[in-house]
Amino acid sequence: DSGVTQTPKHLITATGQRVTLRCSPRSGDLSVYWYQQSLDQGLQFLIQYYNGEERAKGNILERFSAQQFPDLHSELNLSSLELGDSALYFCASSRDPRTDTQYFGPGTRLTVL
Amino acid sequence: SQQGEEDPQALSIQEGENATMNCSYKTSINNLQWYRQNSGRGLVHLILIRSNEREKHSGRLRVTLDTSKKSSSLLITASRAADTASYFCATFPYGGGKLIFGQGTELSVKP
Repeated sequence: DSGVTQTPKHLITATGQRVTLRCSPRSGDLSVYWYQQSLDQGLQFLIQYYNGEERAKGNILERFSAQQFPDLHSELNLSSLELGDSALYFCASSRDPRTDTQYFGPGTRLTVL
Repeated sequence: SQQGEEDPQALSIQEGENATMNCSYKTSINNLQWYRQNSGRGLVHLILIRSNEREKHSGRLRVTLDTSKKSSSLLITASRAADTASYFCATFPYGGGKLIFGQGTELSVKP
């Protein structure tokens, strides 16, 4: 158990819908990262937050957005969902975003039908 | 886009044998990390090696890093069936931020 929690574990929805994925980092970790894992693209970095502020952005679509709240939990919002958005979405957290190990949550498996 | 390339893509061995996986990357790094992923589950951090280190051990794991060749290897000694999983290397650039993952090596250890 990494100490990072993600909800829900599974999510099945239809194209065009909007969903919210939630992540709680390890106690004391200020940085939260979101990753997407799909069969064709592998593990892709989406976005990073540090203490509530966006720190780095990766291959995140405009239909996706994220935020980190004052209690440090983070949410990833996916809208206008397409079939190709079906993937595993991971959250990770770290103490020192400059050098530190990232600890991953169990992931949310999103299926878009 | 993936920075790391892992070799082999798949590896099948018998219990008790050693397994070696290789990772190559393209840009300068702060550190390189190895993760394990059991089928469809979360990633488990195995070991981190910093750019100024050449070798690191953790239990049955040995990681080497050659920054001049931009490559790393992960050796699992005396493998067990429970080691069956996908193994990913991930590079961490200077300045922090995103981990860049390789495509992974799928290891199968047969009892």
